[in-house]
Amino acid sequence: DQQVKQNSPSLSVQEGRISILNCDYTNSMFDYFLWYKKYPAEGPTFLISISSIKDKNEDGRFTVFLNKSAKHLSLHIVPSQPGDSAVYFCAVGTSYGKLTFGQGTILTVHP
Amino acid sequence: EPEVTQTPSHQVTQMGQEVILRCVPISNHLYFYWYRQILGQKVEFLVSFYNNEISEKSEIFDDQFSVERPDGSNFTLKIRSTKLEDSAMYFCASRTNVWYFGPGTRLTVT
Repeated sequence: DQQVKQNSPSLSVQEGRISILNCDYTNSMFDYFLWYKKYPAEGPTFLISISSIKDKNEDGRFTVFLNKSAKHLSLHIVPSQPGDSAVYFCAVGTSYGKLTFGQGTILTVHP
Repeated sequence: EPEVTQTPSHQVTQMGQEVILRCVPISNHLYFYWYRQILGQKVEFLVSFYNNEISEKSEIFDDQFSVERPDGSNFTLKIRSTKLEDSAMYFCASRTNVWYFGPGTRLTVT
C-alpha cells in the first residue's frame, strides 16, 4: 500500500533551525491530513491537522502546508528543539473514514 | 485533556491462544478504530466501528479477528487463535474531528 509516502526515513537538524518533514499521497479523494509524533512503545500523539479547504495551518512552532495539486503536505517545526526528537508520521484520510499512515520519519534534533 | 486508555500494556501469549485487547475510548466519541504496528513497519488500519457495527475493515482483519463494544465504555479486539505474525503494537483510537490514539498494547506471540 503506497498511498502515503514519507520518502525521508530520517532527518537530522540542529537545535534552533527549521525541521521540514514531507509527505506525498496518491488519492485525490483524501480530504483530511494529520501529523502525529510517536515515541517508541507509545501511541501516536496528535500534533496538527489540516483539511483540504485550507493550504496552511499553524499551531505554535508547528505549521502544516498542503499542496493539493501536487498531493503533497509538509510539517515545519520552527525553531526545532531536542525534545522534538521522535518519529513523525503523516496520516491522511477522508472526513469520516480510516487513516492511512506514512512510513514515518525519524527526526533527531541535536543540541 | 481527554485520553484513550488501553489494557494491558503488554500481553504475552502462546501461538494458538485467544487474546482480548481492551480499550476505553473518549466518552463522547462515536467512531472507534483499531490499528497495529509491527516492529519497524507502518501503522496499519485494522477496523473501524460505528453505531455498534463494523464500518470498514482491512485485509488483515480476517475471521480470526473480532471487535465488540460490550458496554457503554469498552471497545475490545479479540484474536481467536494467535499466530506469530500477530506480534505487534495494537493501538485503539476514537474520534470526533481528530483521532485520539491510546498508548498501545504490545502483543507478543511465542
